[in-house]
Amino acid sequence: GESVGLHLPTLSVQEGDNSIINCAYSNSASDYFIWYKQESGKGPQFIIDIRSNMDKRQGQRVTVLLNKTVKHLSLQIAATQPGDSAVYFCADHLRSNTDKLIFGTGTRLQVFP
Amino acid sequence: DSGVTQTPKHLITATGQRVTLRCSPRSGDLSVYWYQQSLDQGLQFLIQYYNGEERAKGNILERFSAQQFPDLHSELNLSSLELGDSALYFCASSVERGFPYEQYFGPGTRLTVT
Repeated sequence: GESVGLHLPTLSVQEGDNSIINCAYSNSASDYFIWYKQESGKGPQFIIDIRSNMDKRQGQRVTVLLNKTVKHLSLQIAATQPGDSAVYFCADHLRSNTDKLIFGTGTRLQVFP
Repeated sequence: DSGVTQTPKHLITATGQRVTLRCSPRSGDLSVYWYQQSLDQGLQFLIQYYNGEERAKGNILERFSAQQFPDLHSELNLSSLELGDSALYFCASSVERGFPYEQYFGPGTRLTVT
């Protein structure tokens, strides 16, 4: 029979507006967080990262905020552009002896003119 | 361009068959990760190799296996293929020396099982 995949949460924003993409994590032992952008048909690309001893980090047009109290991570994109349309994944690293990352389910960002 | 290469880019095969996906990590990276991504879903971690040894295992089916060779390239073998194995398969690599834990992803192999 026909299989139905999970539908990603979608955020639709107008070009030029700011976007905020949220992510919740579950493990208090997470010591590092990273955001990836995945355009259609391509592999995920690094956007920005943050260590657990920080609560904010800024890049070019992007800011990541970390709230360890409620285990919440957000990615803010300023002046969103059509080229920002993609699926965004957060990932976290558990304090352990491997470099394995745990990825969230992703959020699709759609930018309309 | 992340520096990670994957071949082939596309693969179409029939149920019951076996395929091999190949990944070459970035120069200097010792760790290779394999992920499966089905339509509109997240990245499911399959397995990690570090310098030729299995390092971590995720939700990898018994029909799937992987290895990392002395030159650090890796292969993911998928056997007794089923329709549900149709997906994008990504390889990623990292230095595996602690922070930062950033992984660099290849362009993926799109597998279609008919």
